[in-house]
Amino acid sequence: QKEVEQNSGPLSVPEGAIASLNCTYSDRGSQSFFWYRQYSGKSPELIMSIYSNGDKEDGRFTAQLNKASQYVSLLIRDSQPSDSATYLCAATNAGGTSYGKLTFGQGTILTVHP
Amino acid sequence: NAGVMQNPRHLVRRRGQEARLRCSPMKGHSHVYWYRQLPEEGLKFMVYLQKENIIDESGMPKERFSAEFPKEGPSILRIQQVVRGDSAAYFCASSPTTVDNEQFFGPGTRLTVL
Repeated sequence: QKEVEQNSGPLSVPEGAIASLNCTYSDRGSQSFFWYRQYSGKSPELIMSIYSNGDKEDGRFTAQLNKASQYVSLLIRDSQPSDSATYLCAATNAGGTSYGKLTFGQGTILTVHP
Repeated sequence: NAGVMQNPRHLVRRRGQEARLRCSPMKGHSHVYWYRQLPEEGLKFMVYLQKENIIDESGMPKERFSAEFPKEGPSILRIQQVVRGDSAAYFCASSPTTVDNEQFFGPGTRLTVL
């Protein structure tokens, strides 16, 4: 079982719609969760971090965390073609020396079509 | 405030040569992380360093790979006797603290082994 799992997609949504990206994790010791966006041939760009249960909103992005279900999601409202990218979910464990290590999912490819 | 800097951006080596990848963290960041992204695969953690210390090298291959973060100068990821399977994008990330562990990525070094 992969530690962090994402549906690889591709997920295709029309411009202006809400894109919903999902992620599950297997390590109950995971404490911090991150969403990165990666354009083809570029490096990952941090877009959201979330540490406690519930929702966290930043502009058009909302991250949701449910530790009981070991589930993290990212909603992108009013999707734009420029949002087309691979979205990476990552988790880190707060314990021991592994707290520095980000474990990434395989990424979900999002395509927003005009 | 300059971001994470990596050089070279592209590196071509023949089998058996050495590759040296450099990373300068963001100003004020003392934690450095190296990740590798193989073609069609996800980002994998390699090593976490602080100044003059390796904190977690659980993702480093046992042979040919080494990393350092000296008191002065950039962090170095060194690959000896490269093989074709080492061809990948190598990303460095840095963070100011491990409390929230938000890591910011550099542009990466694309290593091609002929």
